[in-house]
Amino acid sequence: DAKTTQPTSMDCAEGRAANLPCNHSTISGNEYVYWYRQIHSQGPQYIIHGLKNNETNEMASLIITEDRKSSTLILPHATLRDTAVYYCIVRRPTGNQFYFGTGTSLTVIP
Amino acid sequence: EAQVTQNPRYLITVTGKKLTVTCSQNMNHEYMSWYRQDPGLGLRQIYYSMNVEVTDKGDVPEGYKVSRKEKRNFPLILESPSPNQTSLYFCASSLDRSLNTEAFFGQGTRLTVV
Repeated sequence: DAKTTQPTSMDCAEGRAANLPCNHSTISGNEYVYWYRQIHSQGPQYIIHGLKNNETNEMASLIITEDRKSSTLILPHATLRDTAVYYCIVRRPTGNQFYFGTGTSLTVIP
Repeated sequence: EAQVTQNPRYLITVTGKKLTVTCSQNMNHEYMSWYRQDPGLGLRQIYYSMNVEVTDKGDVPEGYKVSRKEKRNFPLILESPSPNQTSLYFCASSLDRSLNTEAFFGQGTRLTVV
């Protein structure tokens, strides 16, 4: 099963881009990379997902390396409200499809 | 508005007293699941359901039961709660088991068993 590795914590200055890395070296060809975030103890919030092409939506951009072994979530202009725990997930085809791990705690600094 | 609704949001109960946490989604989703979240352990899946009358164990199913009699509802049952089940619980749903559809999460139920 593809697991992910993320830094435990990161800081980012308000207004700057936040780049959150994720390693998923054992990902299989049909497995998607998903990003969620959790603010305080609220329900996880979907951000973005992708298979092999880079993706962008109103919240963020997702850059997946060509070999698909790692990805980076980019929040282009971080705000204080982006302070949260960010989870990189490789969605499995069976069983527990969303294995969350412990994520990266992002703190946006004024 | 598309949503996953859990009730109650907060619950304090005593050891051994059966309880049910309800989960309902209004998106006609096939796939639903329950997670618990504990400090330092992230979210761990308890049970999941791929459709009506189809349920299966997740990573930490001991002490829990679920049922899926209708598509929209997926209650979590604790027949005899114990203090080690004190946790934050989340219900989630997604359109189907396809890998290309996101999951939606409820707002959580904070359970304390004394």
